[in-house]
Amino acid sequence: GENVEQHPSTLSVQEGDSAVIKCTYSDSASNYFPWYKQELGKGPQLIIDIRSNVGEKKDQRIAVTLNKTAKHFSLHITETQPEDSAVYFCAATLNYQLIWGAGTKLIIKP
Amino acid sequence: GAVVSQHPSRVICKSGTSVKIECRSLDFQATTMFWYRQFPKKSLMLMATSNEGSKATYEQGVEKDKFLINHASLTLSTLTVTSAHPEDSSFYICSAIQGAHGEAFFGQGTRLTVV
Repeated sequence: GENVEQHPSTLSVQEGDSAVIKCTYSDSASNYFPWYKQELGKGPQLIIDIRSNVGEKKDQRIAVTLNKTAKHFSLHITETQPEDSAVYFCAATLNYQLIWGAGTKLIIKP
Repeated sequence: GAVVSQHPSRVICKSGTSVKIECRSLDFQATTMFWYRQFPKKSLMLMATSNEGSKATYEQGVEKDKFLINHASLTLSTLTVTSAHPEDSSFYICSAIQGAHGEAFFGQGTRLTVV
């Protein structure tokens, strides 16, 4: 079955700097890759997603890249702000079922 | 994006009682909903897939009689934790799939504490 690995588990960056979180997946049939942001005590919130027929997608300060050959995808957050502090999860989707990464705790230092 | 409402957000119950958690898709119909359990500082663990009008599909190791799932309409799925024990204390989250491409939207989560 599908397996998703996510790195790093914790990422601390200075406010204003960029943050990059990386995920790899194992099943080449996976075709949809969402990223979720989870704040403490709340459910995950979809922040950006990418499909297997696209290599890059951007939404303001957030971008996601996908390398199908290498089976990895990354989340890029530029000009980080304090409100970006949260846990971020990547996922790979096969037949509508999400396979989750372990999560990355992003800390934005003032 | 689509809105999924989960209720209650927090519940404290006595050991041995049952607790019902509701998950509603507010602005779309969801034939499939998912129930997750999340332990502190961990990723989401899929418990079961809830299908409207049919029995839920449970993941290996999840007790069907312990975690009752009812998906009676296209906008509502419920999870009932029966005869709750302290080890059932956890954060429970539901999600619903919207659209042909399968975007998943999540409820706010329910913090269950069994005392």
